[in-house]
Amino acid sequence: EAQVTQNPRYLITVTGKKLTVTCSQNMNHEYMSWYRQDPGLGLRQIYYSMNVEVTDKGDVPEGYKVSRKEKRNFPLILESPSPNQTSLYFCASRLGTEAFFGQGTRLTVV
Amino acid sequence: GQQLNQSPQSMFIQEGEDVSMNCTSSSIFNTWLWYKQDPGEGPVLLIALYKAGELTSNGRLTAQFGITRKDSFLNISASIPSDVGIYFCAYKTGANNLFFGTGTRLTVIP
Repeated sequence: EAQVTQNPRYLITVTGKKLTVTCSQNMNHEYMSWYRQDPGLGLRQIYYSMNVEVTDKGDVPEGYKVSRKEKRNFPLILESPSPNQTSLYFCASRLGTEAFFGQGTRLTVV
Repeated sequence: GQQLNQSPQSMFIQEGEDVSMNCTSSSIFNTWLWYKQDPGEGPVLLIALYKAGELTSNGRLTAQFGITRKDSFLNISASIPSDVGIYFCAYKTGANNLFFGTGTRLTVIP
């Protein structure tokens, strides 16, 4: 089954404690991206990657890092999380105009 | 990315009613996309539009690419409870990114 898998689904952490949200896709898509979803703001792109070892900033990249060492994986790294990064995060991989989203990771930073 | 304004922000409708929502921008786009996010899930592509004036249907859903290329409309006929969710418009940039609107939250009352 074609899918994008994010882990964990839920995470509560404390300010400053580094964390990684993993994302994996099994569709061999070159393009992957991370979004955050906040009430009233829709989906905002954090980072995207057009291929292995090629990553670039989206609209809201501050406080985040990504890496793309292999095609299937695109982890999102928060080196020092802060409360304003409390949000619902989605990873997506894309072919053409159709993006396939993971089920989301709800992150709370206290 | 360019801002996409979706209207209305939220809707409460009775089952069986028709629904209409729209998405506007100050910029001209070559592609308009409509996604739906079910509660607790990631967004899923509903309809893609590629030409000004294009009218495309997907079951009870119909979307139109505005003549000015600055707007798009989504209509749902004879709504049912499973239509509940958040509807996002999106566009694809020349740099191959997807940018999403702020969303319209639909609640269907049985």
